[in-house]
Amino acid sequence: DQQVKQNSPSLSVQEGRISILNCDYTNSMFDYFLWYKKYPAEGPTFLISISSIKDKNEDGRFTVFLNKSAKHLSLHIVPSQPGDSAVYFCAASQVLAGGTSYGKLTFGQGTILTVHP
Amino acid sequence: NAGVTQTPKFRILKIGQSMTLQCTQDMNHNYMYWYRQDPGMGLKLIYYSVGAGITDKGEVPNGYNVSRSTTEDFPLRLELAAPSQTSVYFCASTPGLVLDEQFFGPGTRLTVL
Repeated sequence: DQQVKQNSPSLSVQEGRISILNCDYTNSMFDYFLWYKKYPAEGPTFLISISSIKDKNEDGRFTVFLNKSAKHLSLHIVPSQPGDSAVYFCAASQVLAGGTSYGKLTFGQGTILTVHP
Repeated sequence: NAGVTQTPKFRILKIGQSMTLQCTQDMNHNYMYWYRQDPGMGLKLIYYSVGAGITDKGEVPNGYNVSRSTTEDFPLRLELAAPSQTSVYFCASTPGLVLDEQFFGPGTRLTVL
């Protein structure tokens, strides 16, 4: 049962253009969402997050949009740079009673982003 | 700060062998995690710990054991290696304040033949 899905295994964009990575989830109890970036032979690194009380969060070139009714989120990278070429993982968690999630994340399968010079 | 370190980087095991994957963090984080990543798949949580002496199962705990005797170390034990445990293993930690921003180690690539 894949609760977090990234249906596009790969995405190729030109440098300077926008990259849009998509993520869908099925568990309506998820209330915190994150994007991680992973280079080959390295561990994932945190990129940006969004709480379910918001529909947008921006950090520099990276913006995450959340559509709760559609159970869909997306990561926009503008402008894309060759150094952004990596695997991007969407992850979700559920904040439990007491205000903690214990950091238990459910990850999507990842999308390989390639930005061409 | 070295962050989260994992050893070894690579290992090949024969079916039925045992090994321990080491994980150490020097950030004084309370929460630590073990994930596995199979090819083309996302990371799946194996075990996690919210502090020394406290561990709990994640999504895929079968075939693994963990212990947390210190804040810094969170080793993962494979008792009887099986081909299904061929994967890349990541250890992660978080301070417990921003619970979901986890800091990951570089991973251990394990092959069971």
